[in-house]
Amino acid sequence: NAGVTQTPKFRVLKTGQSMTLLCAQDMNHEYMYWYRQDPGMGLRLIHYSVGEGTTAKGEVPDGYNVSRLKKQNFLLGLESAAPSQTSVYFCASSYSRQGRGYSQPQHFGDGTRLSIL
Amino acid sequence: AQRVTQPEKLLSVFKGAPVELKCNYSYSGSPELFWYVQYSRQRLQLLLRHISRESIKGFTADLNKGETSFHLKKPFAQEEDSAMYYCALGYFGNEKLTFGTGTRLTIIP
Repeated sequence: NAGVTQTPKFRVLKTGQSMTLLCAQDMNHEYMYWYRQDPGMGLRLIHYSVGEGTTAKGEVPDGYNVSRLKKQNFLLGLESAAPSQTSVYFCASSYSRQGRGYSQPQHFGDGTRLSIL
Repeated sequence: AQRVTQPEKLLSVFKGAPVELKCNYSYSGSPELFWYVQYSRQRLQLLLRHISRESIKGFTADLNKGETSFHLKKPFAQEEDSAMYYCALGYFGNEKLTFGTGTRLTIIP
């Protein structure tokens, strides 16, 4: 199993350009997440999804949109990239807690390093 | 609001010395706590969680509800322990985890 796969691994954009980050998981996880990782600020949740066709805002959703059309895929879009969005982006997935009693461990991808010039 | 505090951004420890990475949380109910680790050029991975009460790679962490802490400890540091460590909080009714800002641990040979 590949686990959680993110594409691309690196990307450089110019201010105002748009792009989509792709996340795929093969573990049949119900939940999926997008985080950004910045020095000194840890992991901050951008958006998340508890199932196919559903998404919700996290801590820092502005400037991003997401879609989960299939259970195994979670897309993160930047409509008009800004330098403040330069970051490392991580996708993660987990089983739901329903029937399991506790928060389930999240499994992470390798990350996408995104630079906005 | 729920919060996880890792007071040390950087921590340097000599090889063979004890290690303690601090994690404090703010949540009034029953917390569900995790430690994640990110080694250089690798993805974040689960190190341990409090419900398992297990020791992974020699690390242990005990939930102290009185002090609202979940400190990560290891009696004898090894060079391969150098990494970024994140503490995370979950709880019933919440599909998300709240992560701390992380502590970068460096083991000095």
